[in-house]
Amino acid sequence: KNQVEQSPQSLIILEGKNCTLQCNYTVSPFSNLRWYKQDTGRGPVSLTIMTFSENTKSNGRYTATLDADTKQSSLHITASQLSDSASYICVVSAVDSNYQLIWGAGTKLIIKP
Amino acid sequence: DGGITQSPKYLFRKEGQNVTLSCEQNLNHDAMYWYRQDPGQGLRLIYYSQIVNDFQKGDIAEGYSVSREKKESFPLTVTSAQKNPTAFYLCATRRSQGSGNTIYFGEGSWLTVV
Repeated sequence: KNQVEQSPQSLIILEGKNCTLQCNYTVSPFSNLRWYKQDTGRGPVSLTIMTFSENTKSNGRYTATLDADTKQSSLHITASQLSDSASYICVVSAVDSNYQLIWGAGTKLIIKP
Repeated sequence: DGGITQSPKYLFRKEGQNVTLSCEQNLNHDAMYWYRQDPGQGLRLIYYSQIVNDFQKGDIAEGYSVSREKKESFPLTVTSAQKNPTAFYLCATRRSQGSGNTIYFGEGSWLTVV
């Protein structure tokens, strides 16, 4: 069964600190992996998209990594800011006729001043 | 201002009523989607449409209906058959069904049954 699991479920860190969020998946055959940021009560916004051949991709203070062999991805946030408080969702695409997306439940990140 | 417009932002439904959530886009995207989001869970696909006049059921289509008469519009009707409709509903679009294309989301609609 295609699944995406994220950890931790929630995380609280102090402003200015770094953090890493994890995503493990069992989706096969794999097409690509995306990270989204979702503010409370808003629609998700794309941060990165990574294909099988990409190991690392950055978007400002966000850096995503992908290990297609172990089927793991991480999202590293550097020098966190209060505006980083949000849910971060990992989404994996399977290669099938409809390119369906398998969504993780998200990690809720809270940045404290 | 371009993008995806969902309305209303907040909606209250009495039991037994049908309600329709609107989703309009001016991105000229072919594919449109409706997702449901419940607390602590991942997004779940209700319906999707790849082209005008065509749509497919997602994972949780029971109690919902859609139409795609125009490229710009993909309204979702929550029928009385949906037993637990209280949730956050998200409309999304993608330029085409290619797996590498970014998916864009509207701001969502909160539906509460009273």
